[in-house]
Amino acid sequence: EAQVTQNPRYLITVTGKKLTVTCSQNMNHEYMSWYRQDPGLGLRQIYYSMNVEVTDKGDVPEGYKVSRKEKRNFPLILESPSPNQTSLYFCASSLSLGTQETQYFGPGTRLLVL
Amino acid sequence: GENVEQHPSTLSVQEGDSAVIKCTYSDSASNYFPWYKQELGKRPQLIIDIRSNVGEKKDQRIAVTLNKTAKHFSLHITETQPEDSAVYFCAAPKGGGYQKVTFGTGTKLQVIP
Repeated sequence: EAQVTQNPRYLITVTGKKLTVTCSQNMNHEYMSWYRQDPGLGLRQIYYSMNVEVTDKGDVPEGYKVSRKEKRNFPLILESPSPNQTSLYFCASSLSLGTQETQYFGPGTRLLVL
Repeated sequence: GENVEQHPSTLSVQEGDSAVIKCTYSDSASNYFPWYKQELGKRPQLIIDIRSNVGEKKDQRIAVTLNKTAKHFSLHITETQPEDSAVYFCAAPKGGGYQKVTFGTGTKLQVIP
């Protein structure tokens, strides 16, 4: 089954404790992206990747890191989480956004930083 | 950079009536405009999209119209049903490279039976 998976789905952590949210897709998509969703603000892009070893900042990259060592995986890293990073996070992928392809979203990761 | 404004933020309609959600964008280079539906507790899913070479696209009860001159596009849902209740997001690519994507802030649609 074609899908985007994220882990964990729910996470409670404390300020400053490094964490990683994994994202994986099995559709051989080139483009992957991370978003955060906050009430009243919609979906805001954190980072995106056009292909392996190619990543770039979205609108809200501060406090986040990403890597794209393999085509299927695009982990989101919070080196020192803070309470303002409490949010719902979505990973998404598309065949190639440069040709205006549909984005497929993962199930979401709900993060609470205390 | 791209700025996408979406209105209204909430919309209540009686079952069977029509619903219209509008988005405006700023980047004249944008040429792909998707609409996503997000049901409560679920992930966003594409329901319809339009490319800039057409003015309207329909899929059963859902249609999207695009006015490139005015830089706005709208989602039209006819004969609304309770299962249409959800949050709807528009989106537009940002900049000439189309890699960045800006989403609207969402419209919470409630269809009253």
